[in-house]
Amino acid sequence: QKEVEQNSGPLSVPEGAIASLNCTYSDRGSQSFFWYRQYSGKSPELIMFIYSNGDKEDGRFTAQLNKASQYVSLLIRDSQPSDSATYLCAVIGDGNNRLAFGKGNQVVVIP
Amino acid sequence: NAGVMQNPRHLVRRRGQEARLRCSPMKGHSHVYWYRQLPEEGLKFMVYLQKENIIDESGMPKERFSAEFPKEGPSILRIQQVVRGDSAAYFCASSLTGAKTRREQFFGPGTRLTVL
Repeated sequence: QKEVEQNSGPLSVPEGAIASLNCTYSDRGSQSFFWYRQYSGKSPELIMFIYSNGDKEDGRFTAQLNKASQYVSLLIRDSQPSDSATYLCAVIGDGNNRLAFGKGNQVVVIP
Repeated sequence: NAGVMQNPRHLVRRRGQEARLRCSPMKGHSHVYWYRQLPEEGLKFMVYLQKENIIDESGMPKERFSAEFPKEGPSILRIQQVVRGDSAAYFCASSLTGAKTRREQFFGPGTRLTVL
């Protein structure tokens, strides 16, 4: 079982709609959860982090964490063409400080 | 600019040469991480360092790769006798602390290594 899984294929959403991304992780002791955005040819940019169960909102982004289900999600409200990128879920497991990344989900926002 | 800095941004080496990648963390950050992104693959952890100490090198290949973070100056990732399979983007990240609730990692622009 992979440490961090992002199973959805490319996601196309119309401008103004909500994009929903999901991620599961295998280490039940994980404490820290992150979403990064990566444009093609660029470096990952931290957009959200969450440490406690529940929802965390920052602007148009909402991260949701459910530790019992080992599940993290990211919602992007009022999607804009500039949101078109690959979104990487990353988790720090128990007892270490290394980020384990999922393979990413490509989001395409259609004007 | 207080962001993570990496140089060079692009590096071309021939097989058998050495590659040296440099990383200066964000101002005030003392925790440095190196990650590698191979073409069409995900980001993979390589090594975690603090000043003068390697904390976690569980992701480093056993041979040819080494990393350091001296008391003065940038962190350096060194690849000896490069092979074509080393061609990748190498990213450095830094964090303020290693504490469980304050360890957000911020990435530099990366070094794109091409081995001919």
